[in-house]
Amino acid sequence: DVKVTQSSRYLVKRTGEKVFLECVQDMDHENMFWYRQDPGLGLRLIYFSYDVKMKEKGDIPEGYSVSREKKERFSLILESASTNQTSMYLCASSLRDRRSYGYTFGSGTRLTVV
Amino acid sequence: AQSVTQPDIHITVSEGASLELRCNYSYGATPYLFWYVQSPGQGLQLLLKYFSGDTLVQGIKGFEAEFKRSQSSFNLRKPSVHWSDAAEYFCAVGVETGRRALTFGSGTRLQVQP
Repeated sequence: DVKVTQSSRYLVKRTGEKVFLECVQDMDHENMFWYRQDPGLGLRLIYFSYDVKMKEKGDIPEGYSVSREKKERFSLILESASTNQTSMYLCASSLRDRRSYGYTFGSGTRLTVV
Repeated sequence: AQSVTQPDIHITVSEGASLELRCNYSYGATPYLFWYVQSPGQGLQLLLKYFSGDTLVQGIKGFEAEFKRSQSSFNLRKPSVHWSDAAEYFCAVGVETGRRALTFGSGTRLQVQP
């Protein structure tokens, strides 16, 4: 079964810490995405990557950066965590062809910043 | 830029009753349209998608959706709801050119009464 794996289900970090959220997919997908999910706001795109070392900003990139050194791995970095970054973070992947869209999602990482 | 509106934040139906979840999109051309479901504590799972052709699309778990260009809508339906359908449902839109990532609505939470 194809999978997108997020390294942690739950994380608690302190304000000001540098936080790494890891996502790995085993489907050889070109595209990978990070979304943030908040009640009443749905999913908001933070960053996405369409190839190794390639990235594009989404709708809410402030306070975040990403890294994609290998095709299967896409990392989200919170440079200096703040309480307003407490949220559910979802990683997804898809093939490059837009007509093959149907993201595969990971189970999510619930991050609490205290 | 494309956008998606799900007008209903929360819907409650009785088990065995029919269901319709509303989704309206804004985009100048024909979009790609999706419905995803998220069970508690889980990532999102694709229910169905529309790219072109027949405007009535069948998905998994007995769901269907109809694309109506004149109303800019892509409503999700199920003739008889089961208790296991209780979840949050997200509509999403993608486009042929430009932004590579999907844009999601804010979600509709479905509660099923026995």
